[in-house]
Amino acid sequence: AQKVTQAQTEISVVEKEDVTLDCVYETRDTTYYLFWYKQPPSGELVFLIRRNSFDEQNEISGRYSWNFQKSTSSFNFTITASQVVDSAVYFCALSETGGFKTIFGAGTRLFVKA
Amino acid sequence: DTGVSQDPRHKITKRGQNVTFRCDPISEHNRLYWYRQTLGQGPEFLTYFQNEAQLEKSRLLSDRFSAERPKGSFSTLEIQRTEQGDSAMYLCASRALRTENYGYTFGSGTRLTVV
Repeated sequence: AQKVTQAQTEISVVEKEDVTLDCVYETRDTTYYLFWYKQPPSGELVFLIRRNSFDEQNEISGRYSWNFQKSTSSFNFTITASQVVDSAVYFCALSETGGFKTIFGAGTRLFVKA
Repeated sequence: DTGVSQDPRHKITKRGQNVTFRCDPISEHNRLYWYRQTLGQGPEFLTYFQNEAQLEKSRLLSDRFSAERPKGSFSTLEIQRTEQGDSAMYLCASRALRTENYGYTFGSGTRLTVV
C-alpha cells in the first residue's frame, strides 16, 4: 500500500531562516511520482514540483530546492531565506505511474514570522 | 480560461438533506478528479473521470455519493442524506491527457458544513 508521512505537523521560523520540510513515502512500485503542493491561507492547492522515481537529481527553483533520496524513501523540501509569503500548509504526495489517484501526506503547516 | 471553478464556495445544510456541487475544469483538460479534505489532513481521493467515463471510485465514496460528468465537460458531485461526517472541503482538480504525472490544477473547493 502507498503511504506518505510528513512527521512535522507545524514549523515556525523567523523570516530569512532556511527551513526543511520532511517527507517519507512507502510504495511497492518501482516506478512512481512524487509531488509537493502548497496550500496558502486562501485555500487553493498549488502544484510546486513533480519528481519521477528514476530521477534522483536534486532540483532547485529559486529559493526552493528538493532532495530526493530513494535509499531512504525521502523527498524533502527546503526553502532558503524564508519569507512571510511562504506561510502555508505544504503537502507531499505520491502516485503510481499510470495510476489515477494521488496519495497526500497530512501536511506541514509553516509559519514564517517577520 | 482562468482555472478550475467550483460552485458554491460554501454550503451549509441540515443533516439528511441532499447537496450538489459543481466543478468546471480547464476546458482542454479531459481528466477530472474529486478529492475531499478534512481539517488538518491532506486531500483524499474520491473519484476520477476521463472525459465522461468514471474510471475509478474510492471506497470512501459510499452509495450516498454520486458523481457525473455528462459530455465530458463540467462535473457534479451529489451527496444524498448528508451526515455530519460529510462536513469537509470538496476539491475538484483537472489535468490534460498525457500529463497524468504532472501536477493537478485544483479549484478553490466547496466547503460543506452539515449541521
